[in-house]
Amino acid sequence: SQQGEEDPQALSIQEGENATMNCSYKTSINNLQWYRQNSGRGLVHLILIRSNEREKHSGRLRVTLDTSKKSSSLLITASRAADTASYFCATVTYNQGGKLIFGQGTELSVKP
Amino acid sequence: SQTIHQWPATLVQPVGSPLSLECTVEGTSNPNLYWYRQAAGRGLQLLFYSVGIGQISSEVPQNLSASRPQDRQFILSSKKLLLSDSGFYLCAWERGRVDTQYFGPGTRLTVL
Repeated sequence: SQQGEEDPQALSIQEGENATMNCSYKTSINNLQWYRQNSGRGLVHLILIRSNEREKHSGRLRVTLDTSKKSSSLLITASRAADTASYFCATVTYNQGGKLIFGQGTELSVKP
Repeated sequence: SQTIHQWPATLVQPVGSPLSLECTVEGTSNPNLYWYRQAAGRGLQLLFYSVGIGQISSEVPQNLSASRPQDRQFILSSKKLLLSDSGFYLCAWERGRVDTQYFGPGTRLTVL
């Protein structure tokens, strides 16, 4: 079953610009995670934010979580061509088995 | 450090043929193991997960089965492939209740 829905489905920006991707979900969660997938490769974990956290930073990544709106955003600052990839949010709810439920992803293209 | 392997990397099989995809994890013990399928341009669908040897939970009724004959080995199988089994298969491991999952490089399966 699908929990998270990313917006936009695709995003194209120039190198140096910021990229913002949004994720909405339907039921209460314990944490939300963002993953990155380069074309034809496995997923790489980027960041995890717990339900009692509102914002988290990791390098050029900034994640926010608004549990009242059931939404999260991922901001990549000063984007690089190497950031070109698909980005997925995934939610975890412990009383629903604690499994990762992925959204459909945002395809980010950063043009040099 | 931990590593996760999947093979083969790519596979082209005729309809009706059997399937066996293997996933192994190194550098950890008692991992939770997961099989996902990803259709083109889509998010990940959880197929099976395992919390221990011989313990398999199926998420979606389908033409596939999974087995865990050893602590760090997870196998995805089918007796007779269907066209709809085509996709990108990803194995992942998780250390207990940490929630973050680490993905293998994936297997691209094409059923003709």
